[in-house]
This record gives sequence, structure tokens and C-alpha cells, in this order.
Amino acid sequence: EVQLVQSGAEVEKPGESLRISCRVSGYNFRNYWIAWVRQVPGKGLEWMAIIYPDDSDDRYSPSFRGHVSISVDKSIDTAYLQWDSLQASDTGIYFCARVYGDIAASTIYFDYWGQGTQVTVST
Amino acid sequence: ESVLTQSPATLSLSPGEGATLSCRASQSVGRSLMWYQHKPGQAPRLLIYDASIRATGIPARFSGSGSGTDFSLTISSLEPEDFAVYYCQQRDNFIFGPGTKVDIK
Repeated sequence: EVQLVQSGAEVEKPGESLRISCRVSGYNFRNYWIAWVRQVPGKGLEWMAIIYPDDSDDRYSPSFRGHVSISVDKSIDTAYLQWDSLQASDTGIYFCARVYGDIAASTIYFDYWGQGTQVTVST
Repeated sequence: ESVLTQSPATLSLSPGEGATLSCRASQSVGRSLMWYQHKPGQAPRLLIYDASIRATGIPARFSGSGSGTDFSLTISSLEPEDFAVYYCQQRDNFIFGPGTKVDIK
């Protein structure tokens, strides 16, 4: 059974750093892209970034490039989303998702999702 | 960069009624269009990919159609568990539409 299990809720202050995780099981972690998606309170879904675990090839949405970074640890089948300096506007729910298909292919979709990690940034 | 718009923003219906949700792309995306269902406190769920192919385990009451710039998601007869927000997504930059909320009338 494919599962993506995310780390727990976080409450941080502006300016602090944070790393959240997404541990996968039930499939070969190295062979599927992993995407990160944000949901801001009361708003919709926003794609943030995507990474290919086998070689750490990555892509970022222009809206998030330079503000977050993504990485993987292949030894423990885990993907990470990291901030060096949080802002209040980073408050939201963050989802990881397995991506079926190659980013160069026409058929591509997010088929399995983590349960989400609530991040709250407040003084 | 292509943008997705969804209409209506909210659809108020009763169980048993049919629902048709629209998604329009500002540039052609071919058939590379996906639909997701999202309920509060849950992970989004893939419903449709390649505009019209139901994902594994998705009931037949969900169907997708369209190509190019105009797409639709149809729910033939709403079940209580179908009341949720529905998002379309395109493959270019994985952009999501703003969503259509289907709520109980």
C-alpha cells in the first residue's frame, strides 16, 4: 500500500527556520517525483516545488523559488520542505504528493498524497 | 503562463442532483488536465486525469470531458460524501484552478 506520512504540526515565530518531512512507503521512492503543495487558510491549492529523489533534480514555482528548498534522503525514503526564514504569510497546510509520470510527459498527475502538515507562523 | 479559471465558485445542490463543474484554461493544455476532490482536514484525492480518465477506485458517477481550453467535471447524482471542493490542475507548472465548492442546499 502506497503511503505518504508527513511530520506533525509546527508553530514557529517569524524569522525562524523549519524543516517538515514526508516519509513514503509501499513503492520505490527513487523512481517517482515528489511534489509539495500549499493551502493557505480559506484559499485553494498552490503547487510549490517538485523533486526527483533518484538524482535530486528539482523545479520550483516562481512564487516559491528562493524562499523554500526541497530535498530528499534516499536512505530513509523521505522528502523534505525547508524554510530558512519563516514569514507570517507561510502559515498554511503543506501537502506532499507522489507524482505519477514524468514532468516532460503529457500524462502526469498527483496520485497519492500525505495527510498534510499545518504550519503556523506567529509572534 | 496559462491560468485556470473555474466556475461557478460555489454550487449549492441536494443529494441526488447532478453537478457540472467548469474549468477553463487561458491557453490550450491539450488533454493534460486533472481534477481533484478536497475535503477539510483530508488529503486531496485524484479523480480524473488526462481530462477524462477516472483514477483507480473513483466511482462511475464522476466523469470528465473536454480538451484544449474548456473542460468539465460531471457528477451524475450527488452522494452525501461528494460535498467538497473540486480543483482542476494543468500539467504546465502544475497550476491549480481556484476551486468550486459543492455544498448542500
